[in-house]
Amino acid sequence: EPEVTQTPSHQVTQMGQEVILRCVPISNHLYFYWYRQILGQKVEFLVSFYNNEISEKSEIFDDQFSVERPDGSNFTLKIRSTKLEDSAMYFCASIRGSTDTQYFGPGTRLTVL
Amino acid sequence: AQSVSQHNHHVILSEAASLELGCNYSYGGTVNLFWYVQYPGQHLQLLLKYFSGDPLVKGIKGFEAEFIKSKFSFNLRKPSVQWSDTAEYFCAVSRNFGNEKLTFGTGTRLTIIP
Repeated sequence: EPEVTQTPSHQVTQMGQEVILRCVPISNHLYFYWYRQILGQKVEFLVSFYNNEISEKSEIFDDQFSVERPDGSNFTLKIRSTKLEDSAMYFCASIRGSTDTQYFGPGTRLTVL
Repeated sequence: AQSVSQHNHHVILSEAASLELGCNYSYGGTVNLFWYVQYPGQHLQLLLKYFSGDPLVKGIKGFEAEFIKSKFSFNLRKPSVQWSDTAEYFCAVSRNFGNEKLTFGTGTRLTIIP
Protein backbone atom coordinates (compact mmCIF):
# COMPACT_ATOMS: atom_id res chain seq x y z
CA GLU A 1 0.00 0.00 0.00
CA PRO A 2 1.41 3.41 -0.93
CA GLU A 3 2.56 5.54 2.01
CA VAL A 4 3.53 9.09 2.74
CA THR A 5 7.19 9.22 3.74
CA GLN A 6 9.06 11.88 5.67
CA THR A 7 12.72 12.62 6.23
CA PRO A 8 14.51 12.94 8.52
CA SER A 9 12.77 11.09 11.31
CA HIS A 10 14.51 13.27 13.88
CA GLN A 11 16.19 16.64 13.38
CA VAL A 12 18.13 18.45 16.08
CA THR A 13 19.05 22.06 15.42
CA GLN A 14 20.26 25.15 17.19
CA MET A 15 17.94 28.07 17.75
CA GLY A 16 18.13 30.51 14.83
CA GLN A 17 19.12 27.88 12.30
CA GLU A 18 17.14 27.03 9.19
CA VAL A 19 15.63 23.59 8.80
CA ILE A 20 13.94 21.88 5.89
CA LEU A 21 11.61 19.00 6.53
CA ARG A 22 10.90 16.76 3.60
CA CYS A 23 7.86 14.78 2.62
CA VAL A 24 7.10 12.50 -0.29
CA PRO A 25 3.31 12.32 -0.67
CA ILE A 26 1.54 9.41 -2.31
CA SER A 27 2.25 9.68 -6.01
CA ASN A 28 -1.20 10.44 -7.44
CA HIS A 29 -2.24 12.75 -4.63
CA LEU A 30 -2.94 16.39 -5.36
CA TYR A 31 -3.50 18.11 -2.02
CA PHE A 32 -0.80 18.39 0.61
CA TYR A 33 -0.73 19.45 4.23
CA TRP A 34 1.59 20.09 7.12
CA TYR A 35 0.51 19.65 10.72
CA ARG A 36 2.47 19.77 13.93
CA GLN A 37 2.08 18.31 17.40
CA ILE A 38 3.90 19.86 20.31
CA LEU A 39 4.61 17.23 22.96
CA GLY A 40 1.52 16.62 25.04
CA GLN A 41 -0.70 18.81 22.89
CA LYS A 42 -3.07 18.21 20.01
CA VAL A 43 -2.24 17.97 16.34
CA GLU A 44 -2.51 21.44 14.79
CA PHE A 45 -2.95 22.42 11.16
CA LEU A 46 -0.19 24.54 9.65
CA VAL A 47 -0.79 24.84 5.93
CA SER A 48 -2.46 23.25 2.92
CA PHE A 49 -1.11 23.31 -0.61
CA TYR A 50 -2.67 22.64 -3.98
CA ASN A 51 -1.72 23.38 -7.54
CA ASN A 52 1.61 24.85 -6.47
CA GLU A 53 0.18 27.40 -4.12
CA ILE A 54 -0.95 27.69 -0.53
CA SER A 55 -4.67 27.05 -0.12
CA GLU A 56 -4.94 27.90 3.54
CA LYS A 57 -2.59 28.62 6.41
CA SER A 58 -3.03 28.89 10.14
CA GLU A 59 -1.92 31.66 12.49
CA ILE A 60 1.06 29.50 13.41
CA PHE A 61 2.32 29.61 9.81
CA ASP A 62 4.00 33.00 9.96
CA ASP A 63 6.74 34.49 7.79
CA GLN A 64 9.29 32.11 9.26
CA PHE A 65 7.58 29.20 7.54
CA SER A 66 7.41 28.38 3.86
CA VAL A 67 6.39 25.39 1.77
CA GLU A 68 7.48 24.27 -1.61
CA ARG A 69 6.96 21.47 -4.06
CA PRO A 70 10.28 21.70 -5.86
CA ASP A 71 9.69 18.72 -8.13
CA GLY A 72 7.00 16.21 -8.88
CA SER A 73 7.50 14.20 -5.74
CA ASN A 74 8.81 16.21 -2.78
CA PHE A 75 6.88 18.59 -0.56
CA THR A 76 9.00 20.59 1.87
CA LEU A 77 8.45 22.72 4.94
CA LYS A 78 11.14 25.27 5.68
CA ILE A 79 11.56 27.11 8.96
CA ARG A 80 13.94 30.00 8.36
CA SER A 81 15.04 30.80 11.90
CA THR A 82 13.99 28.18 14.39
CA LYS A 83 12.79 29.03 17.88
CA LEU A 84 12.64 26.83 20.95
CA GLU A 85 8.85 26.70 20.63
CA ASP A 86 9.14 25.17 17.16
CA SER A 87 10.16 21.91 18.82
CA ALA A 88 7.41 19.48 17.85
CA MET A 89 6.50 16.52 15.71
CA TYR A 90 5.73 17.66 12.17
CA PHE A 91 3.39 15.56 10.08
CA CYS A 92 2.87 15.70 6.36
CA ALA A 93 -0.42 14.50 4.86
CA SER A 94 -1.83 14.14 1.38
CA ILE A 95 -5.09 13.32 -0.34
CA ARG A 96 -5.95 12.42 -3.90
CA GLY A 97 -9.16 14.37 -4.31
CA SER A 98 -11.26 16.80 -2.40
CA THR A 99 -13.49 14.11 -0.92
CA ASP A 100 -10.70 11.72 -0.02
CA THR A 101 -9.21 10.92 3.36
CA GLN A 102 -5.91 12.40 4.44
CA TYR A 103 -3.03 9.97 4.70
CA PHE A 104 -0.34 10.90 7.18
CA GLY A 105 3.38 10.35 7.14
CA PRO A 106 5.32 9.04 10.16
CA GLY A 107 6.41 12.52 11.20
CA THR A 108 9.67 14.34 11.79
CA ARG A 109 10.57 15.12 15.36
CA LEU A 110 12.20 18.57 15.43
CA THR A 111 14.20 19.47 18.50
CA VAL A 112 15.42 23.05 18.77
CA LEU A 113 18.15 23.62 21.34
CA ALA B 1 -14.09 28.00 13.21
CA GLN B 2 -14.62 24.39 14.11
CA SER B 3 -13.33 22.77 17.30
CA VAL B 4 -13.23 19.28 18.77
CA SER B 5 -13.40 18.15 22.38
CA GLN B 6 -12.27 14.82 23.71
CA HIS B 7 -13.05 14.70 27.37
CA ASN B 8 -11.27 11.48 28.24
CA HIS B 9 -7.56 12.17 28.42
CA HIS B 10 -6.44 8.76 29.63
CA VAL B 11 -8.56 5.63 29.76
CA ILE B 12 -7.38 2.39 31.33
CA LEU B 13 -9.29 -0.81 30.65
CA SER B 14 -8.79 -4.51 31.07
CA GLU B 15 -8.80 -6.77 28.05
CA ALA B 16 -12.30 -7.74 26.87
CA ALA B 17 -13.86 -4.65 28.41
CA SER B 18 -16.08 -2.46 26.26
CA LEU B 19 -14.83 0.90 25.11
CA GLU B 20 -16.47 4.19 24.40
CA LEU B 21 -14.45 7.34 23.76
CA GLY B 22 -16.27 10.61 23.60
CA CYS B 23 -15.90 13.22 20.87
CA ASN B 24 -17.89 16.41 20.51
CA TYR B 25 -17.43 19.06 17.89
CA SER B 26 -18.64 22.56 17.35
CA TYR B 27 -19.41 23.88 13.91
CA GLY B 28 -22.61 25.27 12.48
CA GLY B 29 -22.39 23.63 9.07
CA THR B 30 -22.03 20.17 7.58
CA VAL B 31 -18.96 18.27 8.66
CA ASN B 32 -16.88 15.22 7.92
CA LEU B 33 -15.79 13.29 11.00
CA PHE B 34 -12.82 11.03 11.57
CA TRP B 35 -11.14 8.89 14.15
CA TYR B 36 -7.41 8.38 13.81
CA VAL B 37 -5.23 6.08 15.90
CA GLN B 38 -1.56 6.45 16.69
CA TYR B 39 0.11 3.29 17.97
CA PRO B 40 3.32 3.79 19.96
CA GLY B 41 6.08 4.92 17.63
CA GLN B 42 3.86 4.89 14.57
CA HIS B 43 2.09 7.45 12.46
CA LEU B 44 -1.54 8.48 12.44
CA GLN B 45 -3.78 5.89 10.82
CA LEU B 46 -7.41 6.26 9.88
CA LEU B 47 -9.76 4.09 11.94
CA LEU B 48 -13.01 5.25 10.39
CA LYS B 49 -14.73 8.23 8.86
CA TYR B 50 -18.17 9.69 8.36
CA PHE B 51 -19.01 11.82 5.34
CA SER B 52 -22.73 11.21 4.90
CA GLY B 53 -25.38 8.48 4.98
CA ASP B 54 -25.71 5.90 7.74
CA PRO B 55 -24.65 7.62 10.98
CA LEU B 56 -23.27 4.35 12.34
CA VAL B 57 -19.96 3.73 10.66
CA LYS B 58 -17.74 0.72 10.99
CA GLY B 59 -14.00 0.92 10.77
CA ILE B 60 -11.00 -1.32 10.96
CA LYS B 61 -10.15 -3.63 13.87
CA GLY B 62 -13.73 -3.87 15.11
CA PHE B 63 -14.18 -0.18 15.88
CA GLU B 64 -17.36 1.72 15.13
CA ALA B 65 -18.62 5.23 15.71
CA GLU B 66 -22.01 6.86 15.73
CA PHE B 67 -22.68 10.36 14.48
CA ILE B 68 -25.45 12.01 16.49
CA LYS B 69 -26.08 15.33 14.81
CA SER B 70 -28.33 16.70 17.55
CA LYS B 71 -25.59 16.16 20.11
CA PHE B 72 -22.69 17.18 17.86
CA SER B 73 -21.08 13.92 18.87
CA PHE B 74 -19.09 11.17 17.17
CA ASN B 75 -18.23 8.66 19.88
CA LEU B 76 -15.92 5.75 19.19
CA ARG B 77 -16.88 2.29 20.44
CA LYS B 78 -15.51 -1.21 20.54
CA PRO B 79 -17.35 -4.05 22.29
CA SER B 80 -14.26 -5.92 23.46
CA VAL B 81 -10.80 -4.36 23.54
CA GLN B 82 -7.49 -6.14 23.16
CA TRP B 83 -4.06 -5.35 24.51
CA SER B 84 -3.02 -4.36 20.99
CA ASP B 85 -5.55 -1.49 21.08
CA THR B 86 -3.22 0.41 23.40
CA ALA B 87 -2.66 3.66 21.53
CA GLU B 88 -3.59 7.34 21.29
CA TYR B 89 -6.94 8.03 19.65
CA PHE B 90 -7.73 11.30 17.93
CA CYS B 91 -11.09 12.58 16.81
CA ALA B 92 -11.00 15.08 13.95
CA VAL B 93 -13.45 17.16 11.97
CA SER B 94 -13.34 18.97 8.66
CA ARG B 95 -15.86 21.13 6.90
CA ASN B 96 -17.79 19.18 4.30
CA PHE B 97 -16.48 20.81 1.17
CA GLY B 98 -13.27 20.80 -0.76
CA ASN B 99 -9.93 19.68 0.53
CA GLU B 100 -10.50 21.03 4.00
CA LYS B 101 -7.96 20.89 6.81
CA LEU B 102 -8.53 18.59 9.76
CA THR B 103 -9.15 20.01 13.19
CA PHE B 104 -8.11 17.54 15.87
CA GLY B 105 -9.12 16.95 19.43
CA THR B 106 -6.51 16.65 22.15
CA GLY B 107 -6.51 12.88 21.94
CA THR B 108 -7.29 10.07 24.36
CA ARG B 109 -4.57 7.75 25.52
CA LEU B 110 -5.95 4.24 25.84
CA THR B 111 -4.09 1.72 27.95
CA ILE B 112 -5.26 -1.89 27.92
CA ILE B 113 -4.17 -4.08 30.79
CA PRO B 114 -3.72 -7.74 29.85
